[in-house]
Amino acid sequence: GAVVSQHPSRVICKSGTSVKIECRSLDFQATTMFWYRQFPKQSLMLMATSNEGSKATYEQGVEKDKFLINHASLTLSTLTVTSAHPEDSSFYICSVDGGTDTQYFGPGTRLTVL
Amino acid sequence: GNSVTQMEGPVTLSEEAFLTINCTYTATGYPSLFWYVQYPGEGLQLLLKATKADDKGSNKGFEATYRKETTSFHLEKGSVQVSDSAVYFCALRETGNQFYFGTGTSLTVIP
Repeated sequence: GAVVSQHPSRVICKSGTSVKIECRSLDFQATTMFWYRQFPKQSLMLMATSNEGSKATYEQGVEKDKFLINHASLTLSTLTVTSAHPEDSSFYICSVDGGTDTQYFGPGTRLTVL
Repeated sequence: GNSVTQMEGPVTLSEEAFLTINCTYTATGYPSLFWYVQYPGEGLQLLLKATKADDKGSNKGFEATYRKETTSFHLEKGSVQVSDSAVYFCALRETGNQFYFGTGTSLTVIP
C-alpha cells in the first residue's frame, strides 16, 4: 500500500496562533485525501475530503474558515488550524484514497493548544 | 445513519490466549466492513475486510465474519502474541469512500 507521512507528529502552540499540518503521500498519487479528527476514547471523525486542485468538501459542523485545507499537488495536502483554541486540541489524521474500500492512513499529528 | 460500536478496552491478555473484540454496526444499506490496526507511532493499517454478508475476512491469524442478521463483525484470534499489542478499529463503508469508525480497542498482550 501507499506510504503516508504527516508532519509534525506533535505540536504545541499558544491560543490564538495558527498551526499547519502536512500530509504527504510518498509513493502514490493522491487525487483525494481525507482529514480526520480523533478525541481521546472516541472514534475517528471525518472532517473533510480534500480534492487535488479544487476546494475541499467539509462535513457538517466543521468550520471551513477555521480548518483550512489545501491540496495543491497529488502528493501533498495541508490542514491549517487557524486561531487555535484549547478545544481544538486533538489528534488529526489524514488518509489517502486508494480506490474502492481502500484508504492509506498517516500516523497522525497530536495538537495541543495551551 | 451509519455508525459502528465496538467493545471498549483496554484489553489485556496473556500470550496464546483467545481474543475476541466485539463490533456491531448500523447502516442503511449494504456496507463493506473492516478491521484496522494501529501499532504505536504508526498509521492505521488494514487488517482484514468483508464486503458482503457471510464473507469471512482473515489475515495474520485474525478472522471476522460479516453477520448481517446480527449486524456484527467480531474480530477473533485463536492465539495472540505480544506483537499483536495495538489498537484495533472496526469500520464500515457504505457509499462513496467515506469510512465510519468505532472508538478503537486497545489490546496489550503480556508474555
